[in-house]
Amino acid sequence: QVQLVESGGGVVQPGRSLRLSCAASGFTFSTYAMHWVRQAPGKGLEWVAIIWYDGSGEYYAASVKGRFTISRDNSKNTLYLQVSSLGDEDTAVYYCARDRRVIVPGGMMDVWGKGTTVTVSS
Amino acid sequence: DIQMTQSPSSVSASVGDRVTITCRASQGISSWLAWYQQKPGKAPKLLIYGASSLQSGVPSRFSGSGSGTDFTLTISSLQPEDFATYYCQQANSFPHTFGQGTKLEIK
Repeated sequence: QVQLVESGGGVVQPGRSLRLSCAASGFTFSTYAMHWVRQAPGKGLEWVAIIWYDGSGEYYAASVKGRFTISRDNSKNTLYLQVSSLGDEDTAVYYCARDRRVIVPGGMMDVWGKGTTVTVSS
Repeated sequence: DIQMTQSPSSVSASVGDRVTITCRASQGISSWLAWYQQKPGKAPKLLIYGASSLQSGVPSRFSGSGSGTDFTLTISSLQPEDFATYYCQQANSFPHTFGQGTKLEIK
């Protein structure tokens, strides 16, 4: 079945870095753009980043631009989010999600993982 | 950035009621709008895409309408499993912003 499984979250000190992963299965990963979305405790959803199906393009939310890097390895069916210079405001559940359109992203997300939790704390 | 504003922030309703949630964009987004449902501790679930298209597997009691700046999500007859938080999201331009959410509670 179509599935996304995130990993790599944990407790990290302020200013440190972490790499989140999202393993995809059950669909042709290399033909879909992919997103990261996060949700701080008790808060709403915040779109974080998108990467094109072939890795040729990416966009970020202003709140993470310059600190986070989205990437993918289509040979491993895996999406990544490198998160750096972490602050308290980055504490959240991080979800990976599939764009519902093949090749050309439509920006709407039809398959979601269960999320991985990042807690920034000294 | 495009701001998405949902109203109400919370609503209480009973099983069988008809409920409408509104989402307003700070500038025109054509039909580049999605609606999601999220239950506590779970990932969001896509309900509506393209403002009015029902995602596969979603019950027909859910419907979406609107274009430009004003959109609505309607649940025609609430079921117990519909009590959740609902988010709109614009996909017209980056960043793809979400509304603040509407919590649908049991009356």
